Amino acid sequence: DIQMTQSPSSLSASVGDRVTITCRASQSIINYVNWYQQKPGKAPKLLIYAAASLQSGVPSRFSGSGSGTDFTLTISSLQPEDFATYYCQQSYSTPRTFGPGTMVDIK
Amino acid sequence: EVHLVESGGGLVQPGGSLRLSCAASGFTFSSFSMNWVRQGPGKGLEWVSYISASTTIIYYADSVKGRFTISRDNAENSLYLQMNSLRDEDTAVYYCARGLGLYSSPNWFDPWGQGTLVTVSS
Repeated sequence: DIQMTQSPSSLSASVGDRVTITCRASQSIINYVNWYQQKPGKAPKLLIYAAASLQSGVPSRFSGSGSGTDFTLTISSLQPEDFATYYCQQSYSTPRTFGPGTMVDIK
Repeated sequence: EVHLVESGGGLVQPGGSLRLSCAASGFTFSSFSMNWVRQGPGKGLEWVSYISASTTIIYYADSVKGRFTISRDNAENSLYLQMNSLRDEDTAVYYCARGLGLYSSPNWFDPWGQGTLVTVSS
């Protein structure tokens, strides 16, 4: 199975901050990585697919990059509604696997 | 609007069975693959199972293989998960999610249903 790791596991940030979350795969997954946002008690929501494609309706302050084994999700200017947990997920092989999540909370 | 609604969750004893359903609307259900993903209490996301649009391809996580069965009824726009021999560690919120992209290419889950809680406990 492909293992996905994320760093940091949590972070505290202020509104307006630039936030970067890193995801690393245990082997090359080319660009087969997606990013999801989950708020407490809610279902995950797709933000970024295929490493860098912004899902329709998602604000442009979210961006994704990377290839091979290392990927990043960047929020250019953190907004109050962005405080949530973020998960990366690989779709390169079965079983699909998720990272453990990065919780972004208010400083 | 694309919409997925899960149902069928509840409290079940270890060793028991439960059947989850996912009702789809707002898109041509028969054209898309579907997935089940679960999330244990306070835990991360775990993919459970995949079924192709035509039901010809099915995959399971090792943790549920041989105990869970995924199926779909394209005429009824519904997805199912039959769960047998349930264990404490199957306790989770179960989400259905539409699959986008080809399985052998970059692919992703969107949207997700609101989830249904399964609690396995004596």
